[in-house]
Amino acid sequence: GAVVSQHPSWVICKSGTSVKIECRSLDFQATTMFWYRQFPKQSLMLMATSNEGSKATYEQGVEKDKFLINHASLTLSTLTVTSAHPEDSSFYICSAIGRQRAFFGQGTRLTVV
Amino acid sequence: DAKTTQPPSMDCAEGRAANLPCNHSTISGNEYVYWYRQIHSQGPQYIIHGLKNNETNEMASLIITEDRKSSTLILPHATLRDTAVYYCIAHGSSNTGKLIFGQGTTLQVKP
Repeated sequence: GAVVSQHPSWVICKSGTSVKIECRSLDFQATTMFWYRQFPKQSLMLMATSNEGSKATYEQGVEKDKFLINHASLTLSTLTVTSAHPEDSSFYICSAIGRQRAFFGQGTRLTVV
Repeated sequence: DAKTTQPPSMDCAEGRAANLPCNHSTISGNEYVYWYRQIHSQGPQYIIHGLKNNETNEMASLIITEDRKSSTLILPHATLRDTAVYYCIAHGSSNTGKLIFGQGTTLQVKP
């Protein structure tokens, strides 16, 4: 079946550095992908919609300059957390739509120290 | 997307059927009922979806009431690996695919 692959699964970085997370649709093309963030014991919160070949659409309260999204091809979207701080530590998840359903990546556990 | 309401938690004995309810009283005619689940520290997994008819696949059955205001996800023989958070989402077919997650139901399957 359709698969969405996310990389890396986990990452630890120092405060002030930037981290890039990749999301790939492996056997279908995705003109639109979605990025979510999930804090412990909470539900998924939609951050932004990634649009192939155009700018991402961010949800209210999400800083577009902090969470840079690039969707340069039909199978790859990237989320870069810039100048990361400990409060950015979270579980980041991407998704893409195929065959009338959403397929999700495995998630990326980001820890900022 | 219409708002959905689910109980925060449920227990089920291993081997028994798990029946997870969802209320979506404001669902509109073009919105499907989707169920996903999230096992700890993983991305959500699609389970099943339906519009008005009951649906069954290899994972579960979905029963939607005639007025479409509520539905029940049935896991016929729950196993310990079914322990997860289950999310019910009402989602329009014309939507771009942006899913809004509620708090879901934490299902604990016990031996």
